[in-house]
Amino acid sequence: AQSVSQHNHHVILSEAASLELGCNYSYGGTVNLFWYVQYPGQHLQLLLKYFSGDPLVKGIKGFEAEFIKSKFSFNLRKPSVQWSDTAEYFCAVNGAGSYQLTFGKGTKLSVIP
Amino acid sequence: GAGVSQSPSNKVTEKGKDVELRCDPISGHTALYWYRQSLGQGLEFLIYFQGNSAPDKSGLPSDRFSAERTGGSVSTLTIQRTQQEDSAVYLCASGVGTSPFYEQYFGPGTRLTVT
Repeated sequence: AQSVSQHNHHVILSEAASLELGCNYSYGGTVNLFWYVQYPGQHLQLLLKYFSGDPLVKGIKGFEAEFIKSKFSFNLRKPSVQWSDTAEYFCAVNGAGSYQLTFGKGTKLSVIP
Repeated sequence: GAGVSQSPSNKVTEKGKDVELRCDPISGHTALYWYRQSLGQGLEFLIYFQGNSAPDKSGLPSDRFSAERTGGSVSTLTIQRTQQEDSAVYLCASGVGTSPFYEQYFGPGTRLTVT
């Protein structure tokens, strides 16, 4: 069975600080990886995804994530956060041949102006 | 274009009553998923529909939960004899892509409160 771990429950940063949110998954085969974001009062939106190819993927709003297969990781990064990035971030994975997305428990990001 | 819509947005019901939650997927999306989001628990997969195939119900927590999808479009999730532990946000997503890899688009959810 596949599983996803997000290391941080709540991260608090000042504006302009750099961000890295950890995500590790457990699955032995080929995977597709996703980061979703949920802004306050809004629904889940896809931030970025990795299916294959370049392990460094760029998403919307200046976010990027790097797939490191040897570490089973897909960490989310942004060089300089803004107050508007305050949201909850979810990492998700589905394994080859599976249509189910398995989500991590989410990381709440609070950016202080 | 229109996204995934869900209704009602909020539902308060008494313990023991039945509830129906509705999902309208994005037109043309053949895959449809239901998830449950409980506080601090992330998203829990409930059920998956793909075209006319038999649904994958492996995530349904009990036989009080059922779902159907009519005409390959609208889906209804039914919870019978609701319990307080059913209180959660129920999310629907529709998917586009090549089976089995779908990019999922989520609706706003239905917040269910069982009193």
